[in-house]
Amino acid sequence: DVKVTQSSRYLVKRTGEKVFLECVQDMDHENMFWYRQDPGLGLRLIYFSYDVKMKEKGDIPEGYSVSREKKERFSLILESASTNQTSMYLCASSQYPRAHEQYFGPGTRLTVT
Amino acid sequence: ELKVEQNPLFLSMQEGKNYTIYCNYSTTSDRLYWYRQDPGKSLESLFVLLSNGAVKQEGRLMASLDTKARLSTLHITAAVHDLSATYFCAVVPVAGGTSYGKLTFGQGTILTVHP
Repeated sequence: DVKVTQSSRYLVKRTGEKVFLECVQDMDHENMFWYRQDPGLGLRLIYFSYDVKMKEKGDIPEGYSVSREKKERFSLILESASTNQTSMYLCASSQYPRAHEQYFGPGTRLTVT
Repeated sequence: ELKVEQNPLFLSMQEGKNYTIYCNYSTTSDRLYWYRQDPGKSLESLFVLLSNGAVKQEGRLMASLDTKARLSTLHITAAVHDLSATYFCAVVPVAGGTSYGKLTFGQGTILTVHP
C-alpha cells in the first residue's frame, strides 16, 4: 500500500514565522502535490512537483514556496506565516500511468495566531 | 479555467432514504474521481470514472458520468450512519500539454445520516 506521511498533524505558529510542512511518500511516485482545504472551498492546489527539483504553481501559490530535493520528500514553506494561512494542508502523490489517482496524507492542521 | 461545483454542500438524511449528490464541471473532461473524507481523516478514493456513461457501484453508493452534460452523480441508496462523511468529486482538467496528474476538486458535500 502507498503510504504518504506528513510531519505534523497539528501545528500552531505565530504570525511572521517561517513554517515548514514536510511530506514523505514511500512508493517512488513521480508526482507530489500540496493542497489546502477550507470549509466550503474544497481542496485547492498550492504547488505540485513532477520530478526532483521540478515544481509548478497551482491555483493559489501566493505566500508559499516548495522544495523537492529528493524524490520521496516534498516540503511546503510558508516564508512569513499569516493568519489567513490557517487551514488544513494535505499532501498527495501519484505516479504514471495513473497520474490522476492521488494518494493523500493525513493532513496537517495549521493555526497561525 | 475549470470550475467544479457540487450540490448540495450539506445533506442531512435519515437512515434508509435515498439521495443524490451532483457534481457539475465547466469545461471538457473525460475523467472524474470521487473521494470520501471521514471527520479528522484524509481523503480516500471511492470511484474512478473514465468515460462517458461510466457507472461504478460499491455497496450503497453508485457513481455515474455524463461527459456531454458535464455532470457526475453519486447516488446513495438506503443510507446508513456509516456513510456520514464529506464527499468530493475531482475532475481532470483537459488542456494542451501534460497535466502531471492535476485534479480540480469540488467544494465537497458534507453528508450526515441520522437514525
